[in-house]
Amino acid sequence: QVQLQESGPGLVKPSQTLSLTCTVSGGSISSGSYYWSWIRQSAGKGLEWIGRIYSSGSTNYNPSLKSRVTISVDTSKNQFSLKLSSVTATDTAVYYCARTSDSSSSRWFDPWGQGTLVTVSS
Amino acid sequence: QSALTQPASVSGSPGQSITISCTGTSGDVGGYNYVSWYQQHPGKAPKLMIYDVSNRPSGVSNRFSGSKSGNTASLTISGLQAEDEADYYCSSYTSTSTWVFGGGTKLTVL
Repeated sequence: QVQLQESGPGLVKPSQTLSLTCTVSGGSISSGSYYWSWIRQSAGKGLEWIGRIYSSGSTNYNPSLKSRVTISVDTSKNQFSLKLSSVTATDTAVYYCARTSDSSSSRWFDPWGQGTLVTVSS
Repeated sequence: QSALTQPASVSGSPGQSITISCTGTSGDVGGYNYVSWYQQHPGKAPKLMIYDVSNRPSGVSNRFSGSKSGNTASLTISGLQAEDEADYYCSSYTSTSTWVFGGGTKLTVL
């Protein structure tokens, strides 16, 4: 079955760019009608959807983060990535990647990666 | 977009039933049949339990059920078991083609 695994630095300095990669195994990122999302979970704000991408590169972002977020896909590596610029301490969270169904008939997130903690601190 | 509203905590004894509510607006819960529910045990990733208001993924116990009335969705767990103790989150698709989550509900099995 499809599995997702996040990777990237666990510590980022304020004002710098957070960069994470999600590697998909057990299936092709290009197959089917699935999208691929980034979701984060902080102690103060619970779960927050960041954005999603299709294998074609089509994206959709949370308006509250849109000015700082870029999600990209590398189909040759079966990976998709997140970049969040100008980070502050409020961006400290566990970051998850998740397969996303985004069709007019069904919308959900499953499965999720195990999550990776990113701390913003100098 | 504002987070969906869930009770901070609910509790029940083994064998009992509990219901967790999730209140939104006509722009999310009330406007679409795309409410999903996720179970999260400590230190683990969320797991999909209910999708599109009332559908159960393969492998999820039929003790879990979902429903919706107006701007409020509900998750019901019947025949509570110790393993059901976890945090539960609702999520809804929104009118701006984005998703919003609830603040989470901690379920305690007494």
